[in-house]
Amino acid sequence: NAGVTQTPKFRILKIGQSMTLQCTQDMNHNYMYWYRQDPGMGLKLIYYSVGAGITDKGEVPNGYNVSRSTTEDFPLRLELAAPSQTSVYFCASSLRMGSPNPTNEKLFFGSGTQLSVL
Amino acid sequence: TQLLEQSPQFLSIQEGENLTVYCNSSSVFSSLQWYRQEPGEGPVLLVTVVTGGEVKKLKRLTFQFGDARKDSSLHITAAQPGDTGLYLCALRFNNAGNMLTFGGGTRLMVKP
Repeated sequence: NAGVTQTPKFRILKIGQSMTLQCTQDMNHNYMYWYRQDPGMGLKLIYYSVGAGITDKGEVPNGYNVSRSTTEDFPLRLELAAPSQTSVYFCASSLRMGSPNPTNEKLFFGSGTQLSVL
Repeated sequence: TQLLEQSPQFLSIQEGENLTVYCNSSSVFSSLQWYRQEPGEGPVLLVTVVTGGEVKKLKRLTFQFGDARKDSSLHITAAQPGDTGLYLCALRFNNAGNMLTFGGGTRLMVKP
């Protein structure tokens, strides 16, 4: 059971380059998320998606773009990489039912992508 | 803006010792989750607490939710090297999207 799979695990970019971080899940979850984790700063939400074709900004969306063409895939795009985007990126998914108060929703995380922009 | 603080940031203890880590918010939240993250991996959910004053136990881990729904604690009894990791609390506020807000975490090292 693969769960949430992220690729690549490591990447070094030069300033101004672009790249796509891949994320796929095989649990038929409706919600998917992208977080970044900086040292000592916890996880900050970049973008999220409530289902195929629907995406929305999180706390720190600037410099990133996402798409959700299928339930399984939620790629994150960096168009013009900057040193401030050096971080560890985590994709996550969850199954949120129709309740307006998803207290028991459980996030499943991938193992992360470590990105350095030099 | 909801503020979320975890303390201590770092904790290094010997095997067999007890410890408590804390999660405090400036606002009332609807639910709280504790996650544990090992190096090179994503966070894994440990527990969800919902009711003010609620206490949940998971083997040697005891989770408590404050009565005022603004704070939580995690107590580990007789810590073991396998408990080493980053402990993250994540809160859900009653705002648009009901997204989780993560704290900065407590990095725990248990030495044998």
